[in-house]
Amino acid sequence: TQLLEQSPQFLSIQEGENLTVYCNSSSVFSSLQWYRQEPGEGPVLLVTVVTGGEVKKLKRLTFQFGDARKDSSLHITAAQPGDTGLYLCAGRIYNQGGKLIFGQGTELSVKP
Amino acid sequence: DVKVTQSSRYLVKRTGEKVFLECVQDMDHENMFWYRQDPGLGLRLIYFSYDVKMKEKGDIPEGYSVSREKKERFSLILESASTNQTSMYLCASSPPAGLAGIIYEQYFGPGTRLTVT
Repeated sequence: TQLLEQSPQFLSIQEGENLTVYCNSSSVFSSLQWYRQEPGEGPVLLVTVVTGGEVKKLKRLTFQFGDARKDSSLHITAAQPGDTGLYLCAGRIYNQGGKLIFGQGTELSVKP
Repeated sequence: DVKVTQSSRYLVKRTGEKVFLECVQDMDHENMFWYRQDPGLGLRLIYFSYDVKMKEKGDIPEGYSVSREKKERFSLILESASTNQTSMYLCASSPPAGLAGIIYEQYFGPGTRLTVT
């Protein structure tokens, strides 16, 4: 059972366009993370959100945690070819220690 | 610079062979994890360990076992490799979960792409 549904699975856009990736669940998460993975490498953490309704910005990337802590979104403004990669959301369910549940991932391709 | 290393980047094994995947971290982290990554399925947890000699099953432990004899090393063992275990295997480590459910960053190795023929 996939507890975290990520959409879209694939996204191919032109440089300069905006995009949003969604991460949804019926479960409540105590905290949620977004990772980015480049080919041949392991995922690298972008951000951790903890509070319902929280918004964090990382340059052109904006992350939001839903008020009910069941969903999150990643918005990229004016995408660049360097943003190309696999984006993964991962959530921690209460009382599950350090264990994370990962979404299926969104494969983003930004063409110059 | 923090580091998680995996013993091989690419591995080709035959059906029925016993396979060892090694992972070493230099950050003195308590938690270590083994995932497999398949297209469209994201990362699925195989096993994790909170401490030396401690292990817990993840979501897909069938066909795998693990060993953690030292804090810095976590090994994944495929007792009898099968073709459906062809995948990318990722090791990660992290400090223990913090108060109020806050999770710390998981640091990943570069992965081992295992092909079982």
